Amino acid sequence: GAVVSQHPSRVICKSGTSVKIECRSLDFQATTMFWYRQFPKQSLMLMATSNEGSKATYEQGVEKDKFLINHASLTLSTLTVTSAHPEDSSFYICSAREGYRQGLNTEAFFGQGTRLTVV
Amino acid sequence: AQSVAQPEDQVNVAEGNPLTVKCTYSVSGNPYLFWYVQYPNRGLQFLLKYITGDNLVKGSYGFEAEFNKSQTSFHLKKPSALVSDSALYFCAVRDSKAGTALIFGKGTTLSVSS
Repeated sequence: GAVVSQHPSRVICKSGTSVKIECRSLDFQATTMFWYRQFPKQSLMLMATSNEGSKATYEQGVEKDKFLINHASLTLSTLTVTSAHPEDSSFYICSAREGYRQGLNTEAFFGQGTRLTVV
Repeated sequence: AQSVAQPEDQVNVAEGNPLTVKCTYSVSGNPYLFWYVQYPNRGLQFLLKYITGDNLVKGSYGFEAEFNKSQTSFHLKKPSALVSDSALYFCAVRDSKAGTALIFGKGTTLSVSS
């Protein structure tokens, strides 16, 4: 299957600083990427849909000024957690789907996830 | 609105026995259904999907799932469980619109004992 690479896999930052997480589709073009957040022993909650060349669409309750998403190319989307606080500590996972232009029935591929700890 | 229900937080089976992880869904229109597996501190790995066609879908690692439209279910099954199958399993659904994200169930922890 297609490969989605997410970096870093683990990051610890001080409260008040910003952290950038990268999501790359390595062998396919992804017009749309998705960012999820996962709390311990809970499901993945969709945060936002990242569209190449346009503004991201955020889910209700997700602060767009805090979670900045940039999708500047067909293979890269970034999520920046600004002014991080301990409650932002979580596991963040990106997802991309290939074949967007060709069809709708392809599965999504996921990055390895990023464990963010804000101290 | 789309939703997915996984009624069991945990499923325990002995190695060699068949396993079933349950999933029911709600979606307007035709559903696209998926199963993913997650190992600790890792992303999700795709197991199988149902888009159209045969109701019984075969996927990776010997897993299969049966789409039942009348019961709006998509249960994951495997004839003979392995200890290495122990992980967190997610059922997901999305509708047929382009660019839509997957909506996940809460997940079911599968524990296979030797």
